[in-house]
This record gives sequence, C-alpha cells and structure tokens, in this order.
Amino acid sequence: EVQLVQSGGGLVQPGGSRRLSCEASGFTLGLFWVTWVRQGPGKGLEWVATIKQDGSEKYYVDSVKGRFTISRDNAKNSVYLQMNSLRVEDTGVYYCARERPLAPYDYWGQGTLVTVSS
Amino acid sequence: DIQTTQSPSVVSASVGDTITMTCRTSQAVSNYLAWFQQKPGTVPKRLIYISSSLQSGVPSRFSGSGSGTEFTLTITNLQPEDFATYYCLQHASYPRTFGQGTKVDLK
Repeated sequence: EVQLVQSGGGLVQPGGSRRLSCEASGFTLGLFWVTWVRQGPGKGLEWVATIKQDGSEKYYVDSVKGRFTISRDNAKNSVYLQMNSLRVEDTGVYYCARERPLAPYDYWGQGTLVTVSS
Repeated sequence: DIQTTQSPSVVSASVGDTITMTCRTSQAVSNYLAWFQQKPGTVPKRLIYISSSLQSGVPSRFSGSGSGTEFTLTITNLQPEDFATYYCLQHASYPRTFGQGTKVDLK
C-alpha cells in the first residue's frame, strides 16, 4: 500500500526550530519530486517547498526562504523539512505529498500539526 | 508569481444540483491546473489533474475544463459526500499557488 507517514510536529516557541519527516512506504520515494504544503488554522492550502528526486533543485515560498530547508535521504525513503526561526504565523498542519510531472500531489501524508506559541 | 483566484467563495446547493466553480490565474498556465477536495479534518484529495483528467476512483460526476487562465470544476448530480471545500492549484511554475478555496455547503 502506498503511504506517506509524517512525524515531527508539536509545540515550539517563537524563534525555535523543528524538523518534520515524511517517510514513504509501498513505493520508492526517490523516483518522485516531493512537496510540503501547509494549512493555517481555518485557512486554505499553501504550497511551502518542493524538492527534485536527486535533491538538485529546491523551491520555496518567499515567506520561508532562509528559514526552512527541504532535504531528502533516498536511502531512507524520506524527505525532511527543517524549520528554523519559527514564527507564530507558521502555525498549522503540514502535509507532505509526492509529485510527478503533470500530476501533482496524488498521495499525501496524514499531516502533522506545528504550533508556534509562547 | 502567478496569482490563483477561485470564485465563488461559497456555493449553497442541494443534493442533485449541478454546480460550477471557477479558477482564474494571473498568467497563462496552459493546462497545468489541478483540483482538490478537502473535508474538515481530513487530507486533501486530488480530483482532477492537467485541467480535465479525472483521478482514478473519482466519480464521473466530477469534471474539469479550461486552459490558459480560466478553468472550471463542475459537479453534476451533487451527492451528500460532495459537501466540502475545493481548491485549485496551478503547477506551471514556482511558486506553486492554490486558490483560496470554494466551500460547497447545503442550501
């Protein structure tokens, strides 16, 4: 069964850091681009970052550039989102999703809640 | 950056109705436009990709059309399980942008 299993959410203070993980099972994650999407409380979906299969290309939304880093370890079938200098407005549910050319986000992780609060 | 705008924000409808929602992009995106359905507390689900290709397993009452800057999602014979929020996504360029969502609720 194709699955993306996420971990790493939780409560963090403003200015703090958190690393989210997204591990694939049932398929080889290294064959896919992977994206992180977030959703603030009561808000819509927001694209956050995307990484190419070999990690050679990475893209970020402006609001997280310089603070968040997307990376991957294909040997572990996993993708990560390192979040530094967290702000209250980064609070939300973070989803990972796999992507193929012309066919984005057919499978999603279960989502993980990150709460940035003092 | 490409702006992606959905309308209307809310559609009030009844079971059996046919409804249409629109997604407009500020620049042409060819047919690189997908639609997702999300119910409260659940993971988004892809319905349509490349503007009009139906995701496997999605009922045929869902259909998408459009190219360039204007796209539509139509749901015919609305079913109780279709009451949800729908998002479009342009994936022609980075940053990817979602529309703000169209909520379908019960009239």
